Amino acid sequence: DAKTTQPPSMDCAEGRAANLPCNHSTISGNEYVYWYRQIHSQGPQYIIHGLKNNETNEMASLIITEDRKSSTLILPHATLRDTAVYYCIPRGSNDYKLSFGAGTTVTVRA
Amino acid sequence: EAGVAQSPRYKIIEKRQSVAFWCNPISGHATLYWYQQILGQGPKLLIQFQNNGVVDDSQLPKDRFSAERLKGVDSTLKIQPAKLEDSAVYLCASSLLGQSNQPQHFGDGTRLSIL
Repeated sequence: DAKTTQPPSMDCAEGRAANLPCNHSTISGNEYVYWYRQIHSQGPQYIIHGLKNNETNEMASLIITEDRKSSTLILPHATLRDTAVYYCIPRGSNDYKLSFGAGTTVTVRA
Repeated sequence: EAGVAQSPRYKIIEKRQSVAFWCNPISGHATLYWYQQILGQGPKLLIQFQNNGVVDDSQLPKDRFSAERLKGVDSTLKIQPAKLEDSAVYLCASSLLGQSNQPQHFGDGTRLSIL
């Protein structure tokens, strides 16, 4: 499994964009990059995933560098409800499971 | 679309007792997973089912944990006898076919406390 590095914590102002970085320099060519978040006392929530191209959905945008060694999750307009632990998880064709690391604790402040 | 349903939401038992958790996946999802999340850590896979067959149970402590998915829909995870270190949140997830480009969707889990 590719190893990931995420900052342990980040603060963000409500209404501003939150840019969450993830380093996955050992990712292999067939591994997708998945992002999940876990709000206190809830199960992990799927946000977005991508392979090579940038992706956008109603929750967030995912920017993957051309060499695929890092990615950034963008929450365009953070709200207090976005306060959570955010996990970046590489997942390959042989990895049916999700291997969660420590993630980034994001606190959105009013 | 209804999400993954789990019950009970909380359970408190004494060590050496038994306990069971129930999961109903998203309709039409063939793949079902059970994860264990110890306080302060990320979830770790215990077992994966594809329909009613076990794909991977290598991380399941089989001397005390068992799981079944008899009809390929809902699933039960049992612990017997429970130990103090089993205190954790037990999460169920499901995905369409378990392929790497298909996301897993989680329930809110059962929080187990062992006294």
